[in-house]
Amino acid sequence: QQQVKQSPQSLIVQKGGISIINCAYENTAFDYFPWYQQFPGKGPALLIAIRPDVSEKKEGRFTISFNKSAKQFSLHIMDSQPGDSATYFCAASNSGGSNYKLTFGKGTLLTVNP
Amino acid sequence: DAGITQSPRHKVTETGTPVTLRCHQTENHRYMYWYRQDPGHGLRLIHYSYGVKDTDKGEVSDGYSVSRSKTEDFLLTLESATSSQTSVYFCAISERVAQTQYFGPGTRLLVL
Repeated sequence: QQQVKQSPQSLIVQKGGISIINCAYENTAFDYFPWYQQFPGKGPALLIAIRPDVSEKKEGRFTISFNKSAKQFSLHIMDSQPGDSATYFCAASNSGGSNYKLTFGKGTLLTVNP
Repeated sequence: DAGITQSPRHKVTETGTPVTLRCHQTENHRYMYWYRQDPGHGLRLIHYSYGVKDTDKGEVSDGYSVSRSKTEDFLLTLESATSSQTSVYFCAISERVAQTQYFGPGTRLLVL
């Protein structure tokens, strides 16, 4: 199975709040988990990525939490700002396999109200 | 956009006409990808390339073909455009297999 399930589809958060987006995967061979951010009219851009040898990675206000046993990972945006309003995609891949693909979740539209 | 350009950026065409989209990179990355993005479906891989003249199908390849004659260029062709191919098309590149992909600005295609 190559599927990556992302939730919620949309999320509304007040300025200063915490935004949480969750992803679950099935393929235990996945070993690379990036998150992409996409603004309207633009291409997706890498936001932050994690490998399963760590349970958490933080970059500024953005944190990935990874639970290998549950096959889940999540993006936390602390102190959410209106400028964070965008669509977020999680993805996963098996860097050691012959499959060249990143498998993407279907995306979460985040709206941060001022 | 990591040295990736897509052309055209917008195109309106009629059903049944052939359409070619171009992706050009200046990063000398080996791997190149074509995706389509539609509401409710996220990003879906159409075709990808793992080297010059080396290509393979993605999950939604029907009705599309690709060619890569140079490292820097990856062309996506709709042989006979249909309304179901109305979408936003993104090209992406990566230096290493199944690792970080860098996306172009996209091409918005409308098939009437």
